[in-house]
Amino acid sequence: AQKVTQAQTEISVVEKEDVTLDCVYETRDTTYYLFWYKQPPSGELVFLIRRNSFDEQNEISGRYSWNFQKSTSSFNFTITASQVVDSAVYFCALSVRGFKTIFGAGTRLFVKA
Amino acid sequence: SAVISQKPSRDICQRGTSLTIQCQVDSQVTMMFWYRQQPGQSLTLIATANQGSEATYESGFVIDKFPISRPNLTFSTLTVSNMSPEDSSIYLCSVVGTRGTGELFFGEGSRLTVL
Repeated sequence: AQKVTQAQTEISVVEKEDVTLDCVYETRDTTYYLFWYKQPPSGELVFLIRRNSFDEQNEISGRYSWNFQKSTSSFNFTITASQVVDSAVYFCALSVRGFKTIFGAGTRLFVKA
Repeated sequence: SAVISQKPSRDICQRGTSLTIQCQVDSQVTMMFWYRQQPGQSLTLIATANQGSEATYESGFVIDKFPISRPNLTFSTLTVSNMSPEDSSIYLCSVVGTRGTGELFFGEGSRLTVL
């Protein structure tokens, strides 16, 4: 069975601080995809990034970076120099065969001005 | 990315009634997914809707409660039947991106409140 754990329920930071959102996953499949999604207060889910199980390269996109480590089954997400607009719920997700995607519980990030 | 439109965006319903949510996609897609997001919770997959076959339901969800139609490759409906207050949730339609790399694109969701 597949599982995604986001142990951090809520995180509160002050603007310009760096913040890391943790994600740990479980699967017995060797081929899988990992994702991060953002759900701002408006409610619409936005896809941020995808990683497949064969690609452990870290990725940076502007202030966002992702660290994928198969050895620890983790796919962590760091926001550098956080901004108020980053306030949202962030979901880590896992999909295996057939694109059925399961989501973690989400981490609610508050960025205070 | 795919553009997904859902209707209604929100509704207030009476206990015991049924409501049908519509999902329209701007491109043809093989699989459509219906998720439920209860207040303050994560997303839970209800079912996968494939065109030309019956929907595949996840554990805890049954066709009598959540009948799904998928008449063509751009449209699907989810009905929430015999509603109770516990059905108050956001219901989300989603599809896999056209690149086939697994990321999901979501409609804006249908927020149902059952009194």
